[in-house]
Amino acid sequence: GAVVSQHPSRVICKSGTSVKIECRSLDFQATTMFWYRQFPKKSLMLMATSNEGSKATYEQGVEKDKFLINHASLTLSTLTVTSAHPEDSSFYICSARRAGVNNEQFFGPGTRLTVL
Amino acid sequence: EDQVTQSPEALRLQEGESSSLNCSYTVSGLRGLFWYRQDPGKGPEFLFTLYSAGEEKEKERLKATLTKKESFLHITAPKPEDSATYLCAVQADTGGTSYGKLTFGQGTILTVHP
Repeated sequence: GAVVSQHPSRVICKSGTSVKIECRSLDFQATTMFWYRQFPKKSLMLMATSNEGSKATYEQGVEKDKFLINHASLTLSTLTVTSAHPEDSSFYICSARRAGVNNEQFFGPGTRLTVL
Repeated sequence: EDQVTQSPEALRLQEGESSSLNCSYTVSGLRGLFWYRQDPGKGPEFLFTLYSAGEEKEKERLKATLTKKESFLHITAPKPEDSATYLCAVQADTGGTSYGKLTFGQGTILTVHP
């Protein structure tokens, strides 16, 4: 199967600090990864598209200087929440697109961020 | 703008009581329609991809169908372990740096009582 991991699964930080979340495709190469944010009992909202070796494409209303995305290899993308504030508390989920195989996307288990 | 609307928002069934979930969509050229299952506190689990009207796919008690305007997820004789949120998403046939992005519906929360 296609497995996507995220680390950490949970993180609690103080307001003003930065937090890095990793997303890895474990058994396939992903030229494209996506970062989503999900509020309680709400659906997934796409934040940005991450293409390996190039700059991420951010959705309208998402601050690119606050949510830094790096896709350095075909199996790893990172999301850094800079100067986190309580309103950044959310469930962050990544997905990886397995190119050439019916264009399927597989999701990681998510990261619960709590900013105090 | 691509839009996905799922109904009902919540569905309660007795074990063994079959039903269907609806996903209506508008998209500028459909590349694929995806169904996912999401358990609380976890990421979505891939179920099906449908590509063209008339296509059907089955997996255990689930069957997904697709028309030009909507998709149905039929659940036959559900069990309590089928309780989850079911998400529908569309992928538009567009290129560029956001190629492959999904637009999600708000989900249907399914609860199956024993």
